[in-house]
Formats: sequence, structure tokens, C-alpha cells
Amino acid sequence: SQTIHQWPATLVQPVGSPLSLECTVEGTSNPNLYWYRQAAGRGLQLLFYSVGIGQISSEVPQNLSASRPQDRQFILSSKKLLLSDSGFYLCAWSVSSGEAQNTGELFFGEGSRLTVL
Amino acid sequence: AQTVTQSQPEMSVQEAETVTLSCTYDTSESDYYLFWYKQPPSRQMILVIRQEAYKQQNATENRFSVNFQKAAKSFSLKISDSQLGDAAMYFCAYRSSFGNEKLTFGTGTRLTIIP
Repeated sequence: SQTIHQWPATLVQPVGSPLSLECTVEGTSNPNLYWYRQAAGRGLQLLFYSVGIGQISSEVPQNLSASRPQDRQFILSSKKLLLSDSGFYLCAWSVSSGEAQNTGELFFGEGSRLTVL
Repeated sequence: AQTVTQSQPEMSVQEAETVTLSCTYDTSESDYYLFWYKQPPSRQMILVIRQEAYKQQNATENRFSVNFQKAAKSFSLKISDSQLGDAAMYFCAYRSSFGNEKLTFGTGTRLTIIP
């Protein structure tokens, strides 16, 4: 069966420090990968998604970047954190829409809570 | 661009009663997926139910069912026999079937269960 892991679960960082959140998927190949952010009391905002190694689509211009160095690894980074980067970050994966077993849904990790002070 | 609207920021229901959460969406496409996700206090997003737009029959999963009105672009979630464990944020979501890999979420409805 497929599983998704993201870490760290909780992170407290000072303004101006770097960030690295990592997400890996097991039990599938060539998944679509996603990073969402959820600000306090608000919905989910899509930050980045990737349909393959090295292919990153950015949805919102911001202080963050994403990379996909391996098929099942997705990394969210920042060189200098801002206060506004605080939030709950969710990694997710899905079957590619071209695959026969695609059911459209996303499968989410447990989330990473980032507090920037 | 597709948008998803949940007009009820908060809802409450008495335990064992039935509650309906509303969702509307805007799209020009004919084939797509719709979902309801649940986010309990643990914060992990859990799929509750999914509906494929080409299917006229409303999806059902145990106590959860949807009322899918394609012409009205409405997709409401009905929870029957509400239980304390149903307390959570509920998000409605849309995804195109045609090569668009993105899932668009509504802003969510916080459901409280009253014992």
C-alpha cells in the first residue's frame, strides 16, 4: 500500500532563517506531488505541484521554492523565512490523471506546523 | 479558473441528528471530480467521499452521502446520525478530469457536534 511521510512535524524558526520541509511517498511510482499551505482558520492554498522529476509548477509567487530531486521526494524550501510564512504545510500525492487507476483524489501527509518568530 | 465556495464557516448539530454542509463550485468543464475532505484536530486531511461528475447517482459512504446537482453546480454533504468523532473541519474540493492535476479547495466548514 502507498504511504506518505513528511517531516518535521513541528518547526519553530526565527525570521530570516532557512527552511527545508521534506516529503516522501512509498509504494507508488511517478506520482503527482503537491505542497499546500493552510493559514490559521483558513482553507488550503496550493503552493507547488509536480508531475515529474525536476518539473515544478508554482501557483503563488512567494518566498518559497520547491524541488523534486527524486521521483517520490518533494522538498519545500526557503532561504530566508518571513513572519507570513507561518502556517500548516501539507504534502500530498495523487495518481497521474493519465493513469488507468486514477480516481482523482489527493492523499495527504500528516502536515508540518511552521512557526516563524 | 475553477472556484469552490463553502458559505457556512461554522455549523453545529446535536449528536445523532442529521446535518447538511453546502458547497457550490464554478467551472466550464463537463467532466470532473468533487470531493469532501475531513480535517480533525489532528490536522491530517482524510477523504470522506468522492463524486465523478459523469455519474448521476449520488455517492454514499455509510453515514455520509452527497446531493450532487450538476446543473446548479452544487455538491452538499449530508451526515446522518452525527457522532462526536465527526467534529472537524470539512472541505469541499474540485478537480478537473482532463489533465489538470490540481485540486481546488473551498474555505471549509467547522462542524461542532453537541452531545
